[in-house]
Amino acid sequence: EVQLQESGPGLVKPSQSLSLTCSVTGYSITSNYWGWIRKFPGNKMEWMGYISYSGSTSYNPSLKSRISITRDTSKNQFFLQLNSVTTEDTATYYCAKEGGAYWGQGVMVTVPS
Amino acid sequence: DIQMTQSPSSMSVSLGDTVTITCRASQDVGIYVNWFQQKPGKSPRRMIYRATNLADGVPSRFSGSRSGSDYSLTISSLESEDVADYHCLQYDEYPPTFGAGTKLELK
Repeated sequence: EVQLQESGPGLVKPSQSLSLTCSVTGYSITSNYWGWIRKFPGNKMEWMGYISYSGSTSYNPSLKSRISITRDTSKNQFFLQLNSVTTEDTATYYCAKEGGAYWGQGVMVTVPS
Repeated sequence: DIQMTQSPSSMSVSLGDTVTITCRASQDVGIYVNWFQQKPGKSPRRMIYRATNLADGVPSRFSGSRSGSDYSLTISSLESEDVADYHCLQYDEYPPTFGAGTKLELK
């Protein structure tokens, strides 16, 4: 069974970097595409970016200057880094497998004012 | 970015109702639309993929359809467990974009 689990701090100070880990079991991240999606208070959802089976990445242009997605294939994990966070980055962050068939449970991240 | 205009934003429903939620794409996205259900405190669950295909384990009362640039999710004979938020997603063109969501509430 494919399982994803996010981990990382729930509170990040303004201007600092948000760093999250997605640990995957039951499927190798060297296959398919693996992404990060966030859900804002008020229900809006935003696709942030993905890392492919080969390690190539694609990012939402709205975030392109601030986002980085990397991976550690030896641990079957991939990572999100979002720099220079503001209160507008407060959201629940999810990792998911291509197509959205499998999601992590989500981690709520707050950037206080 | 492609806009997915989802309607209605909320709907008051009764058990046994037939419910239809629609997303209109701002440009052609072909069959590349998925529908997700989300309940409070839970992660999204894929219900429909490629516009019309029922995801694994999803009850047959759920169905997806397409008419031109309009994509619909229909729930026949609504059950209490179906009361949730629903989002469409297009992934024909990057970046993938979501509809704004539909919240189902019981009357």
